[in-house]
Amino acid sequence: GAVVSQHPSRVICKSGTSVKIECRSLDFQATTMFWYRQFPKQSLMLMATSNEGSKATYEQGVEKDKFLINHASLTLSTLTVTSAHPEDSSFYICSAKRLAGDRTDTQYFGPGTRLTVL
Amino acid sequence: KNQVEQSPQSLIILEGKNCTLQCNYTVSPFSNLRWYKQDTGRGPVSLTIMTFSENTKSNGRYTATLDADTKQSSLHITASQLSDSASYICVVTSDQAGTALIFGKGTTLSVSS
Repeated sequence: GAVVSQHPSRVICKSGTSVKIECRSLDFQATTMFWYRQFPKQSLMLMATSNEGSKATYEQGVEKDKFLINHASLTLSTLTVTSAHPEDSSFYICSAKRLAGDRTDTQYFGPGTRLTVL
Repeated sequence: KNQVEQSPQSLIILEGKNCTLQCNYTVSPFSNLRWYKQDTGRGPVSLTIMTFSENTKSNGRYTATLDADTKQSSLHITASQLSDSASYICVVTSDQAGTALIFGKGTTLSVSS
């Protein structure tokens, strides 16, 4: 159990366009979902934390108007990169925490989405 | 400042050999320490988790140790396989809720035949 999926796994877009990435918890309900960004040979950097039905909390330096997060249900969160630029090219990974059950302190990670902005 | 430092940055070993990866942390407060395996282009997958009172934890060919006094952890891989080639990330959680994770940069392991 505790499977998190992301869609798409890979996306290439033109500069100036918007891209939406979905994160789903497939077999559990998630109180909280997290969005991370990972540049080559770097560690995961937390971008924002989202709770179902409320506004996301963004980390310092992350533009909330550029990275729109919607957490519409206990199993789905979306990250929209608006007006994407080449410097937004990165590996975006989401994670989710269980609503209830064993180890509610554990974050389960999705497989990631590779975004390339041309 | 909360930090997690890993060494070596990269490592190349022959198939069948053992290896040990290191993690030093300066994180307070401390809740638990996890080792993750991240294959290229994939998300991290948890290998082990240890709390303050645990010294060692095994998961198949992976054995993690924790010295809470010196704030050091190691991950030992026995009889390495080609599929062990990946990045191994040490992650320290500093809160009970599991929301504050401090990531190391990882050790890139390459296992060759």
